[in-house]
Amino acid sequence: AQSVTQLGSHVSVSEGALVLLRCNYSSSVPPYLFWYVQYPNQGLQLLLKYTSAATLVKGINGFEAEFKKSETSFHLTKPSAHMSDAAEYFCAVSVGNTDKLIFGTGTRLQVFP
Amino acid sequence: DAGVTQSPTHLIKTRGQQVTLRCSPKSGHDTVSWYQQALGQGPQFIFQYYEEEERQRGNFPDRFSGHQFPNYSSELNVNALLLGDSALYLCASSLGGGHYEQYFGPGTRLTVT
Repeated sequence: AQSVTQLGSHVSVSEGALVLLRCNYSSSVPPYLFWYVQYPNQGLQLLLKYTSAATLVKGINGFEAEFKKSETSFHLTKPSAHMSDAAEYFCAVSVGNTDKLIFGTGTRLQVFP
Repeated sequence: DAGVTQSPTHLIKTRGQQVTLRCSPKSGHDTVSWYQQALGQGPQFIFQYYEEEERQRGNFPDRFSGHQFPNYSSELNVNALLLGDSALYLCASSLGGGHYEQYFGPGTRLTVT
């Protein structure tokens, strides 16, 4: 069965610092991987997705993620955090002929001035 | 271009009651998926509708049912409400399945007392 593990339920960084949010997946077949962001009292917005093309994926708002098959990882990074990046981030996987999303438990990002 | 819309925004029900939540997909989309997000958790897949039929289903009891109309809008029905059904219910729309991006609505917050 497919699953996603997000390491660290809370991450705190200073404004301007590197953001690193960790995601590891489990899948017996090539996965499709996604990062979503959720602001308070809102739905989810897609940041980026990996669909077996380039392993380094660039998304919106300066975020990017690298697919590493050997490490079964898809970590999300941003070189310089902004106050507006404070939100909940979810990693998700879908596989095979099904496009249902399996989400991790989320990581809450706090950005301090 | 209107995105995914959901109604109502908030809902309070009593145990044992029934509830209906509504979703209108993004213009041009024909597939609707429903997710349940309990407090502090990632979204859990309930089911997906395509061409007015349930195409996939997650691990939810039969108390959860749905419908898709010819205009692609969808309803989620929950019977015999339990306290544990309290959650944010998210609707996502996409085009035809196949790992295309799913666009999420703002959700309906259901509280069962």
